[in-house]
Amino acid sequence: AQTVTQSQPEMSVQEAETVTLSCTYDTSESDYYLFWYKQPPSRQMILVIRQEAYKQQNATENRFSVNFQKAAKSFSLKISDSQLGDAAMYFCASFTGNQFYFGTGTSLTVIP
Amino acid sequence: EAGVAQSPRYKIIEKRQSVAFWCNPISGHATLYWYQQILGQGPKLLIQFQNNGVVDDSQLPKDRFSAERLKGVDSTLKIQPAKLEDSAVYLCASSSKDRVSIPNTGELFFGEGSRLTVL
Repeated sequence: AQTVTQSQPEMSVQEAETVTLSCTYDTSESDYYLFWYKQPPSRQMILVIRQEAYKQQNATENRFSVNFQKAAKSFSLKISDSQLGDAAMYFCASFTGNQFYFGTGTSLTVIP
Repeated sequence: EAGVAQSPRYKIIEKRQSVAFWCNPISGHATLYWYQQILGQGPKLLIQFQNNGVVDDSQLPKDRFSAERLKGVDSTLKIQPAKLEDSAVYLCASSSKDRVSIPNTGELFFGEGSRLTVL
């Protein structure tokens, strides 16, 4: 079975600072996608950033970037210049074959 | 573009009662997912539809849960009878493709969820 592991249940960051959320995954597939989703309290889950496994270049979306280490099966999310609105649960997910696999989430607190 | 619609947003029932949740995916999305998200955990897949056919329901507790997607558009998830451990948020999500393929992103679009409390 595919697994996605997030080893940090909770993280905190000072406003305007940088934080990195960790994620590792396990797959035997060669064709897959990796995602970070954000779930604010009582609000719907939205896509933060996406990485295609066949691409070597790390994905970047404004203040969000990933460090994709394919051999190590690691997919961390870096949030730069953290803002209060970044406070949320962050889920790492993989899409392979025909299914999504989610980690258990990291709760991010942003300290003013 | 309208997003994934779910209703009701909140539901409180007694154990052994029944409940139904409704989901309308993004127009044109062939794949529809129902997830169960217990507080503090990641989403757990209950059932996946491709158009109106079931792709994966291996984790659906079929003795009490049922789901259908008539005409390959909207879907309902039913629980009967409910147990205390069914208290969770039920998320519906849709995707435009069934397999990862270039240039498809495989992105999931989520609804706001239906929060169930079983007393």
